[in-house]
Amino acid sequence: AQSVTQPDIHITVSEGASLELRCNYSYGATPYLFWYVQSPGQGLQLLLKYFSGDTLVQGIKGFEAEFKRSQSSFNLRKPSVHWSDAAEYFCAVGALTGGGNKLTFGTGTQLKVEL
Amino acid sequence: DGGITQSPKYLFRKEGQNVTLSCEQNLNHDAMYWYRQDPGQGLRLIYYSQIVNDFQKGDIAEGYSVSREKKESFPLTVTSAQKNPTAFYLCASSPSREIYGYTFGSGTRLTVV
Repeated sequence: AQSVTQPDIHITVSEGASLELRCNYSYGATPYLFWYVQSPGQGLQLLLKYFSGDTLVQGIKGFEAEFKRSQSSFNLRKPSVHWSDAAEYFCAVGALTGGGNKLTFGTGTQLKVEL
Repeated sequence: DGGITQSPKYLFRKEGQNVTLSCEQNLNHDAMYWYRQDPGQGLRLIYYSQIVNDFQKGDIAEGYSVSREKKESFPLTVTSAQKNPTAFYLCASSPSREIYGYTFGSGTRLTVV
């Protein structure tokens, strides 16, 4: 069964600083990986996804993520954080199972941005 | 525009009452999901449905019930048997026969007093 670990529960960065959110996955085959963002009181919005091909994936809002098979990681990065990026971020791994399209989510990382 | 609509945004109920949360999608997705979200606990799967008239329990189904009579609709009932129903509830949908990201609704915050 697949699983996702987000080791950092909370991260605080200054506006304009770079950001890296960590995600480690466990899955036997080639993983399908996702990053979502959730603003307070809202649903989850897809930032980016990796299915195959180029290991550096570009997403919306200036985010990117790099898939590293050797490290079982899919870390999310942004060169310069804006105050509006404060939110909760979820990593997920997807698989087709007997129960259909199944995404397994990490427990999330809460990002705080200091002005 | 296609999407998922959850209603209402906020819901208040007295303890011991059943309450039904609405979820409607116009994305033509086969699969629909209900998650519960509590602070610090991420997303926990309550029920999911891959096709009309069929659904399966997720990790925390006790005290909840669902129906899937139409492809577009997947209502969730929080029954009086649910010990701690106050939470944020998220509905999602996706295609079922391919790996695909989920599309989420904007959530319903249920408060039981």
